[in-house]
Amino acid sequence: GENVEQHPSTLSVQEGDSAVIKCTYSDSASNYFPWYKQELGKRPQLIIDIRSNVGEKKDQRIAVTLNKTAKHFSLHITETQPEDSAVYFCAAQRGSTLGRLYFGRGTQLTVWP
Amino acid sequence: EAQVTQNPRYLITVTGKKLTVTCSQNMNHEYMSWYRQDPGLGLRQIYYSMNVEVTDKGDVPEGYKVSRKEKRNFPLILESPSPNQTSLYFCASSPWTGDEKLFFGSGTQLSVL
Repeated sequence: GENVEQHPSTLSVQEGDSAVIKCTYSDSASNYFPWYKQELGKRPQLIIDIRSNVGEKKDQRIAVTLNKTAKHFSLHITETQPEDSAVYFCAAQRGSTLGRLYFGRGTQLTVWP
Repeated sequence: EAQVTQNPRYLITVTGKKLTVTCSQNMNHEYMSWYRQDPGLGLRQIYYSMNVEVTDKGDVPEGYKVSRKEKRNFPLILESPSPNQTSLYFCASSPWTGDEKLFFGSGTQLSVL
C-alpha cells in the first residue's frame, strides 16, 4: 500500500513568519494530494489539494507544491496568524485503488502572537 | 444544511458489549468512509464504501463491521469492543467522482473499559 510520511510533527513559528510542512509518499501511482486542517476539538477540513498533473497551487496565504520525481509535496503558509494554529494532515490517494486515501501522521502548528 | 451527522458524540462502554456508531449524510454522496484518530498516528482508514452494497477494507478493519444498505447511512459496528478500540472516530463522505473532498462528521469519542 501507500506510505505517507509527514514532517515535522510539531512546528512553532512567530506570527507573520512562514511555515512549511513536508510529506513524502511511496507509490508513484498516487495522483491526488489533499491537505486537511483540524482545529482543536473540531473535525478535519480540506484547505487545499493538488493533482499530479500540476506542480503548484495557491489559495491566498497557502500554497502546495508537488515534486512527482522525488515523490514529495509540501504545504506553505505565509504571513502566519494565530488562527492558523491547528493540526495539519497531508494525504495521498492511489490512482489505481479508488477509495483509498492515506493520511500522514499530522503536524501540530503553533503560531505565537 | 449539508452535513454529515454522527451519533453519539461520546460513548463509554465495557469490553465485549456490542455497539453501533451511526453516520448519515444528506448530500447524496456516493462515497463514505470511517477513520479512527489516535495521538501520533494520524487518521487511519477503517472501511469505506463507494456505493450502496459496496464496502471495502481500509488499513485497520479488524474488529469492525460496516454496512451500506442505503446511500445516506454508513453505520460502524463493533461486535465485541476491546480497550484498544478506544479512539476518536470520524465518518466522512464525498462525491468522489471528480471531487474527492471529504466532508467529516463531528466525531465520536469512544472509550472501552
